[in-house]
Amino acid sequence: SQELEQSPQSLIVQEGKNLTINCTSSKTLYGLYWYKQKYGEGLIFLMMLQKGGEEKSHEKITAKLDEKKQQSSLHITASQPSHAGIYLCGADYSGAGSYQLTFGKGTKLSVIP
Amino acid sequence: EAGVTQSPTHLIKTRGQQVTLRCSPISGHTSVYWYQQALGLGLQFLLWYDEGEERNRGNFPPRFSGRQFPNYSSELNVNALELEDSALYLCASSSGQGNSPLHFGNGTRLTVT
Repeated sequence: SQELEQSPQSLIVQEGKNLTINCTSSKTLYGLYWYKQKYGEGLIFLMMLQKGGEEKSHEKITAKLDEKKQQSSLHITASQPSHAGIYLCGADYSGAGSYQLTFGKGTKLSVIP
Repeated sequence: EAGVTQSPTHLIKTRGQQVTLRCSPISGHTSVYWYQQALGLGLQFLLWYDEGEERNRGNFPPRFSGRQFPNYSSELNVNALELEDSALYLCASSSGQGNSPLHFGNGTRLTVT
């Protein structure tokens, strides 16, 4: 089984709706990074979470880290077509920072105008 | 500030051939990472270079190799190409500070026929 599971695998939402993407780890997390990727392109860094209970926001995107559950959630409020893409979580299992991140398989988000 | 740049953007090779991919990190970044994103497999860590030295490699055969130059740019070499090497190869750089996030380039799309 995967060390890092993302759910759902894909999501289609109407513009203006809220949505949540989850990232669950089977191992202890030292850090969790969220990235967004447009098809066939590079990854854009969104947020980094390190401490249990930590929550960060950027514009309409909020990410939280639940240390007990070894899980992170990414919440988008009032989704827009510009939010469409593949969201990837990357785990730091070494405690050494962002070296050699282990990534989930991604959640493909489509936003219908 | 220029981001991570990769060349070429696309490449088509025949099985058995060799290929070299290039990456220029963000100015001031000393660490370069290579990832493979193959269809259905997600993003897999390949190699990590820092200050000209290979620091770690992922679970890939020795025909995947690379190097980092004094100006911190990097090359990824793949020998004896196989069909399953077809993928998007992403390069990322970081400042090398423990928690600094990876910044990715747009990748090189390699197709092996």
